[in-house]
Amino acid sequence: GEDVEQSLFLSVREGDSSVINCTYTDSSSTYLYWYKQEPGAGLQLLTYIFSNMDMKQDQRLTVLLNKKDKHLSLRIADTQTGDSAIYFCAEQAGGFKTIFGAGTRLFVKA
Amino acid sequence: NAGVTQTPKFQVLKTGQSMTLQCAQDMNHNSMYWYRQDPGMGLRLIYYSASEGTTDKGEVPNGYNVSRLNKREFSLRLESAAPSQTSVYFCASSSQGAKTRPQHFGDGTRLSIL
Repeated sequence: GEDVEQSLFLSVREGDSSVINCTYTDSSSTYLYWYKQEPGAGLQLLTYIFSNMDMKQDQRLTVLLNKKDKHLSLRIADTQTGDSAIYFCAEQAGGFKTIFGAGTRLFVKA
Repeated sequence: NAGVTQTPKFQVLKTGQSMTLQCAQDMNHNSMYWYRQDPGMGLRLIYYSASEGTTDKGEVPNGYNVSRLNKREFSLRLESAAPSQTSVYFCASSSQGAKTRPQHFGDGTRLSIL
């Protein structure tokens, strides 16, 4: 069935790059999303990529998609303490549903 | 813009009590969703409503009911609360007309059942 997997934790130093990885199973997914959740809040859309693209860059964020391996990554350049949050990968599956990963908690050390 | 509004933000219930969680969106979205978020398990879909007048079960519907009151509002009801339903509940909405259908989330309802 449909599944999205992510590692649960990532720790980086302030100023370094963070790379959060995700794998998904539904090869028919059309769009893949990254959401950010800060403490006490809901998920906010960070960025998305269409399945026929390899890369998308948006300021400090770079999304890489390897469709053959069903692997998605989010790179945050020059990571700041304000980037500490939980990051969710999600695939837009068929129909009306979006499948979410369990989320990667990013810790940024000053 | 309010986006997706959930009420209440916090609630404590006793086992067996009933409660309705409210959700409203002002983005004219067709589809609405209810999720629960538990540590280490990400988001699990409880129920969704693809459009006004329809509702469907998600991954974990047992113990819950929903009502799509109109296009704006989608409520989640716990008829007889159980400790296993202690969780953070999120409502979300999305448009169905566009190719991209990112979901927009409320800030959640933190529910504890004693």
